[in-house]
Amino acid sequence: AQSVTQPDIHITVSEGASLELRCNYSYGATPYLFWYVQSPGQGLQLLLKYFSGDTLVQGIKGFEAEFKRSQSSFNLRKPSVHWSDAAEYFCAVILAGGTSYGKLTFGQGTILTVHP
Amino acid sequence: DVKVTQSSRYLVKRTGEKVFLECVQDMDHENMFWYRQDPGLGLRLIYFSYDVKMKEKGDIPEGYSVSREKKERFSLILESASTNQTSMYLCASRRTGSGFSYGYTFGSGTRLTVV
Repeated sequence: AQSVTQPDIHITVSEGASLELRCNYSYGATPYLFWYVQSPGQGLQLLLKYFSGDTLVQGIKGFEAEFKRSQSSFNLRKPSVHWSDAAEYFCAVILAGGTSYGKLTFGQGTILTVHP
Repeated sequence: DVKVTQSSRYLVKRTGEKVFLECVQDMDHENMFWYRQDPGLGLRLIYFSYDVKMKEKGDIPEGYSVSREKKERFSLILESASTNQTSMYLCASRRTGSGFSYGYTFGSGTRLTVV
């Protein structure tokens, strides 16, 4: 079955440390890829997206993500984490075709805790 | 500022009640979606609508129905609420055209508790 997997349920980092959140998908074709962030009590905010072209994409709040076709991965990175980055992060994909057309499918989410 | 508004932030209902969750968007978007969010499961699609009066089942439609009589409003209906429907419900909308370059806009969510 087609799926999106975020292997890490919870990650803890110190403020100022680098961050990498993992995302893997199991679709046959290259899907459209997204990362969203959800702060406590808030809705989802789009961090960045990848459709085609340069496999390293830049987003808001200093985040970037790299698409690796060979690994079916789209990992999110930030070189230096701020306390305000503590939130839950979701990887999501869209399949462009068939009965799944336009549907945004989410991974399980990764909760990020930032220590001072 | 464009937005998706969910009528209730918190809702407590009794088992067996018919529950309506309302979502309104002011962006003239064609597509609208209802998701439920549960810890460790991420967001799962319940129903979606490509346009007015059109609806499609998502991944977990059982126990739910939807209504879209006007473009700006998409309602999620729990015909007979059960405790396993206690969850956070998120509405989203999306403008069609130009592939998927237009993103999804999410509401702030409705936390429903069924007792």
